[in-house]
Amino acid sequence: GESVGLHLPTLSVQEGDNSIINCAYSNSASDYFIWYKQESGKGPQFIIDIRSNMDKRQGQRVTVLLNKTVKHLSLQIAATQPGDSAVYFCAENILKNTGRRALTFGSGTRLQVQP
Amino acid sequence: NAGVTQTPKFQVLKTGQSMTLQCAQDMNHEYMSWYRQDPGMGLRLIHYSVGAGITDQGEVPNGYNVSRSTTEDFPLRLLSAAPSQTSVYFCATRYDRANTEAFFGQGTRLTVV
Repeated sequence: GESVGLHLPTLSVQEGDNSIINCAYSNSASDYFIWYKQESGKGPQFIIDIRSNMDKRQGQRVTVLLNKTVKHLSLQIAATQPGDSAVYFCAENILKNTGRRALTFGSGTRLQVQP
Repeated sequence: NAGVTQTPKFQVLKTGQSMTLQCAQDMNHEYMSWYRQDPGMGLRLIHYSVGAGITDQGEVPNGYNVSRSTTEDFPLRLLSAAPSQTSVYFCATRYDRANTEAFFGQGTRLTVV
Protein backbone atom coordinates (compact mmCIF):
# COMPACT_ATOMS: atom_id res chain seq x y z
CA GLY A 1 0.00 0.00 0.00
CA GLU A 2 0.88 3.63 -0.33
CA SER A 3 2.41 5.57 2.49
CA VAL A 4 1.62 8.91 0.89
CA GLY A 5 -1.24 10.67 2.61
CA LEU A 6 -1.27 8.67 5.86
CA HIS A 7 -1.80 11.74 8.06
CA LEU A 8 -3.93 13.84 5.76
CA PRO A 9 -7.28 15.27 6.85
CA THR A 10 -10.01 12.92 5.69
CA LEU A 11 -13.48 13.63 4.36
CA SER A 12 -15.80 10.65 4.45
CA VAL A 13 -19.03 10.80 2.45
CA GLN A 14 -21.77 8.43 1.37
CA GLU A 15 -21.98 7.43 -2.26
CA GLY A 16 -24.37 9.78 -4.04
CA ASP A 17 -23.85 12.68 -1.65
CA ASN A 18 -22.12 15.90 -2.62
CA SER A 19 -18.57 16.49 -1.40
CA ILE A 20 -16.91 19.80 -0.60
CA ILE A 21 -13.15 19.97 -0.21
CA ASN A 22 -11.62 23.20 1.02
CA CYS A 23 -8.25 24.81 0.57
CA ALA A 24 -6.69 27.99 1.95
CA TYR A 25 -4.05 29.47 -0.32
CA SER A 26 -1.16 31.60 0.75
CA ASN A 27 -0.46 34.36 -1.72
CA SER A 28 -2.86 37.14 -2.67
CA ALA A 29 -0.86 37.66 -5.89
CA SER A 30 -1.54 34.13 -7.13
CA ASP A 31 -3.39 34.34 -10.44
CA TYR A 32 -4.27 30.77 -11.25
CA PHE A 33 -5.44 27.77 -9.27
CA ILE A 34 -5.79 24.07 -10.02
CA TRP A 35 -7.37 21.09 -8.30
CA TYR A 36 -5.63 17.75 -8.70
CA LYS A 37 -6.72 14.23 -7.83
CA GLN A 38 -4.15 11.64 -6.82
CA GLU A 39 -4.97 7.96 -6.66
CA SER A 40 -2.80 5.48 -4.86
CA GLY A 41 0.47 4.83 -6.66
CA LYS A 42 -0.14 7.42 -9.38
CA GLY A 43 0.87 10.95 -10.20
CA PRO A 44 -1.57 13.84 -9.70
CA GLN A 45 -4.25 14.22 -12.36
CA PHE A 46 -5.81 17.53 -13.39
CA ILE A 47 -9.45 18.01 -12.41
CA ILE A 48 -10.32 21.65 -12.95
CA ASP A 49 -8.71 25.07 -12.91
CA ILE A 50 -9.77 28.66 -12.34
CA ARG A 51 -8.19 32.01 -13.04
CA SER A 52 -8.20 34.80 -10.47
CA ASN A 53 -10.57 36.93 -12.55
CA MET A 54 -13.31 34.36 -11.95
CA ASP A 55 -15.09 33.23 -8.79
CA LYS A 56 -16.72 30.06 -10.07
CA ARG A 57 -16.07 27.48 -12.74
CA GLN A 58 -17.98 24.31 -13.49
CA GLY A 59 -16.91 21.07 -15.07
CA GLN A 60 -18.50 17.68 -15.32
CA ARG A 61 -19.76 16.94 -11.77
CA VAL A 62 -17.18 19.34 -10.33
CA THR A 63 -17.31 23.01 -9.43
CA VAL A 64 -14.49 25.19 -8.16
CA LEU A 65 -15.23 28.31 -6.12
CA LEU A 66 -12.67 31.01 -5.50
CA ASN A 67 -12.98 33.60 -2.74
CA LYS A 68 -10.08 36.02 -3.11
CA THR A 69 -11.14 38.11 -0.12
CA VAL A 70 -10.33 35.31 2.31
CA LYS A 71 -7.91 33.41 0.02
CA HIS A 72 -10.09 30.33 -0.07
CA LEU A 73 -10.68 27.75 -2.75
CA SER A 74 -13.19 24.91 -2.71
CA LEU A 75 -13.92 21.89 -4.87
CA GLN A 76 -17.45 20.59 -4.99
CA ILE A 77 -18.09 17.10 -6.36
CA ALA A 78 -21.69 16.26 -7.16
CA ALA A 79 -23.12 12.76 -6.66
CA THR A 80 -19.86 11.39 -5.30
CA GLN A 81 -18.91 7.95 -6.59
CA PRO A 82 -16.53 5.28 -5.23
CA GLY A 83 -14.13 6.14 -8.05
CA ASP A 84 -13.79 9.63 -6.57
CA SER A 85 -11.95 8.19 -3.56
CA ALA A 86 -8.47 9.71 -3.68
CA VAL A 87 -6.33 12.49 -2.24
CA TYR A 88 -7.20 15.94 -3.56
CA PHE A 89 -4.72 18.81 -3.77
CA CYS A 90 -5.17 22.45 -4.57
CA ALA A 91 -2.31 24.27 -6.27
CA GLU A 92 -1.66 27.96 -6.79
CA ASN A 93 0.51 29.71 -9.34
CA ILE A 94 2.81 31.77 -7.13
CA LEU A 95 5.02 34.62 -8.30
CA LYS A 96 8.54 33.84 -7.08
CA ASN A 97 11.17 36.42 -6.27
CA THR A 98 12.83 35.54 -9.58
CA GLY A 99 9.87 37.10 -11.36
CA ARG A 100 8.81 33.67 -12.60
CA ARG A 101 5.76 31.74 -11.50
CA ALA A 102 5.75 28.27 -10.01
CA LEU A 103 2.92 25.91 -9.13
CA THR A 104 2.83 25.33 -5.36
CA PHE A 105 0.67 22.66 -3.73
CA GLY A 106 -1.38 22.51 -0.56
CA SER A 107 -1.13 19.56 1.81
CA GLY A 108 -4.12 17.65 0.49
CA THR A 109 -7.38 16.08 1.68
CA ARG A 110 -8.25 12.40 1.49
CA LEU A 111 -11.78 11.72 0.22
CA GLN A 112 -13.29 8.39 1.23
CA VAL A 113 -16.56 7.40 -0.41
CA GLN A 114 -18.64 4.88 1.53
CA PRO A 115 -20.83 2.60 -0.60
CA ASN B 1 2.97 10.08 -27.54
CA ALA B 2 4.25 9.04 -24.11
CA GLY B 3 3.66 12.33 -22.24
CA VAL B 4 5.94 12.58 -19.19
CA THR B 5 8.23 9.61 -18.57
CA GLN B 6 10.17 9.15 -15.36
CA THR B 7 12.88 6.58 -14.81
CA PRO B 8 13.51 4.60 -12.74
CA LYS B 9 10.20 3.81 -11.02
CA PHE B 10 11.93 2.51 -7.90
CA GLN B 11 15.44 2.98 -6.52
CA VAL B 12 17.28 2.10 -3.32
CA LEU B 13 20.47 4.01 -2.55
CA LYS B 14 22.98 3.85 0.22
CA THR B 15 23.78 7.04 2.10
CA GLY B 16 26.39 9.02 0.22
CA GLN B 17 25.71 7.48 -3.18
CA SER B 18 24.84 9.66 -6.14
CA MET B 19 22.24 9.14 -8.81
CA THR B 20 20.19 10.91 -11.44
CA LEU B 21 16.43 10.72 -11.75
CA GLN B 22 15.41 11.07 -15.37
CA CYS B 23 12.42 12.97 -16.73
CA ALA B 24 11.58 13.15 -20.42
CA GLN B 25 8.60 14.71 -22.16
CA ASP B 26 7.44 14.62 -25.75
CA MET B 27 4.85 17.40 -25.54
CA ASN B 28 7.23 20.24 -26.43
CA HIS B 29 6.45 21.94 -23.13
CA GLU B 30 8.71 24.81 -22.09
CA TYR B 31 8.13 24.46 -18.39
CA MET B 32 9.36 21.48 -16.35
CA SER B 33 9.58 20.97 -12.62
CA TRP B 34 10.50 18.45 -9.94
CA TYR B 35 8.50 17.81 -6.78
CA ARG B 36 8.95 15.51 -3.84
CA GLN B 37 6.07 14.02 -1.89
CA ASP B 38 6.49 12.77 1.65
CA PRO B 39 3.88 10.92 3.73
CA GLY B 40 1.18 13.23 4.99
CA MET B 41 2.39 16.15 2.95
CA GLY B 42 1.63 17.72 -0.35
CA LEU B 43 4.04 18.07 -3.20
CA ARG B 44 6.97 20.37 -2.52
CA LEU B 45 8.76 22.07 -5.37
CA ILE B 46 12.47 21.25 -5.64
CA HIS B 47 13.61 22.94 -8.86
CA TYR B 48 11.93 24.16 -12.00
CA SER B 49 12.84 25.34 -15.47
CA VAL B 50 11.02 27.73 -17.79
CA GLY B 51 13.02 26.67 -20.81
CA ALA B 52 16.27 25.16 -22.02
CA GLY B 53 19.23 26.73 -20.24
CA ILE B 54 17.11 28.26 -17.44
CA THR B 55 16.59 26.74 -14.00
CA ASP B 56 15.33 28.12 -10.69
CA GLN B 57 15.15 26.87 -7.13
CA GLY B 58 11.87 25.88 -5.56
CA GLU B 59 10.93 25.43 -1.90
CA VAL B 60 13.35 22.60 -1.05
CA PRO B 61 16.36 22.73 -3.42
CA ASN B 62 19.14 21.73 -1.02
CA GLY B 63 20.83 18.45 -1.90
CA TYR B 64 19.58 18.47 -5.49
CA ASN B 65 20.98 19.77 -8.76
CA VAL B 66 19.28 20.19 -12.10
CA SER B 67 20.17 21.22 -15.63
CA ARG B 68 18.10 21.80 -18.75
CA SER B 69 20.16 21.37 -21.88
CA THR B 70 17.20 20.35 -24.07
CA THR B 71 13.47 21.05 -24.07
CA GLU B 72 12.71 17.35 -23.68
CA ASP B 73 14.83 16.39 -20.65
CA PHE B 74 15.10 17.66 -17.09
CA PRO B 75 17.26 15.35 -14.95
CA LEU B 76 17.41 15.65 -11.16
CA ARG B 77 20.73 14.80 -9.54
CA LEU B 78 21.40 13.73 -5.99
CA LEU B 79 25.12 14.18 -5.44
CA SER B 80 25.32 12.54 -2.01
CA ALA B 81 22.08 10.84 -0.99
CA ALA B 82 20.81 11.20 2.58
CA PRO B 83 18.00 9.30 4.36
CA SER B 84 16.03 12.57 4.47
CA GLN B 85 15.77 12.34 0.69
CA THR B 86 13.69 9.18 0.91
CA SER B 87 10.53 10.23 -0.88
CA VAL B 88 8.43 9.89 -4.00
CA TYR B 89 9.63 12.23 -6.74
CA PHE B 90 7.39 13.61 -9.44
CA CYS B 91 8.33 15.42 -12.61
CA ALA B 92 5.76 17.76 -14.17
CA THR B 93 5.56 19.76 -17.38
CA ARG B 94 3.45 22.71 -18.48
CA TYR B 95 2.90 24.22 -21.91
CA ASP B 96 4.28 27.55 -20.76
CA ARG B 97 5.13 29.35 -17.56
CA ALA B 98 1.74 30.99 -17.26
CA ASN B 99 -1.71 29.73 -16.56
CA THR B 100 -1.91 26.18 -17.75
CA GLU B 101 -2.24 22.86 -16.03
CA ALA B 102 0.77 20.72 -15.22
CA PHE B 103 1.06 17.13 -16.44
CA PHE B 104 2.74 14.69 -14.10
CA GLY B 105 4.81 11.60 -14.54
CA GLN B 106 4.08 8.43 -12.58
CA GLY B 107 6.76 9.11 -10.00
CA THR B 108 10.02 7.61 -8.76
CA ARG B 109 10.02 6.03 -5.32
CA LEU B 110 13.45 6.57 -3.79
CA THR B 111 14.65 4.96 -0.57
CA VAL B 112 17.98 5.98 0.97
CA VAL B 113 19.30 3.58 3.58
